[in-house]
Amino acid sequence: GAGVSQSPSNKVTEKGKDVELRCDPISGHTALYWYRQSLGQGLEFLIYFQGNSAPDKSGLPSDRFSAERTGGSVSTLTIQRTQQEDSAVYLCASSLQGNRELFFGEGSRLTVL
Amino acid sequence: QKEVEQDPGPLSVPEGAIVSLNCTYSNSAFQYFMWYRQYSRKGPELLMYTYSSGNKEDGRFTAQVDKSSKYISLFIRDSQPSDSATYLCAMMSGGSNYKLTFGKGTLLTVNP
Repeated sequence: GAGVSQSPSNKVTEKGKDVELRCDPISGHTALYWYRQSLGQGLEFLIYFQGNSAPDKSGLPSDRFSAERTGGSVSTLTIQRTQQEDSAVYLCASSLQGNRELFFGEGSRLTVL
Repeated sequence: QKEVEQDPGPLSVPEGAIVSLNCTYSNSAFQYFMWYRQYSRKGPELLMYTYSSGNKEDGRFTAQVDKSSKYISLFIRDSQPSDSATYLCAMMSGGSNYKLTFGKGTLLTVNP
């Protein structure tokens, strides 16, 4: 497809387990972003990639959160030792370099029991 | 005080009504202003994008930015049931080309 693709669309996990969320950006988009949308909190910035490097990781809430991007394309957001407060929708977006128009995927809905 | 304030609603209007959605902000560095529409269980999609102050019109949608008052608005004319969604305002500083700060969103329902 032509849009941003995220998987899984839904993930239910037990507290303490690790999870990986995947994002496949629009072809040709060098910039990639992760946001988190929690109930009642709106969208929060997590991390920004330009190519494979992450010049801004300031939004990652704790050292349990990490992200990487390989080949300037697919990105993986990893949450270790999940907690109930990690339950949220994790949204990925991409854009052309320097372009402020972000295109979002449909998100990965994470539920930590 | 949060950087961006947006009334969460919910807002319910009859079909054909004019809808006004608003956000206020506190960060003077914001230069770029966006409105996103988000349908239930979908990702946000960009509706309108404006730079600095002024009006921008696109079909039934008009975005207004008043930087002196730190206030932005989205107007929807002749609202349709298909406009029922959550509307998110988002802002970016002039020194950034990547970090959006979002409002919490306003849930709009347009009743047939």
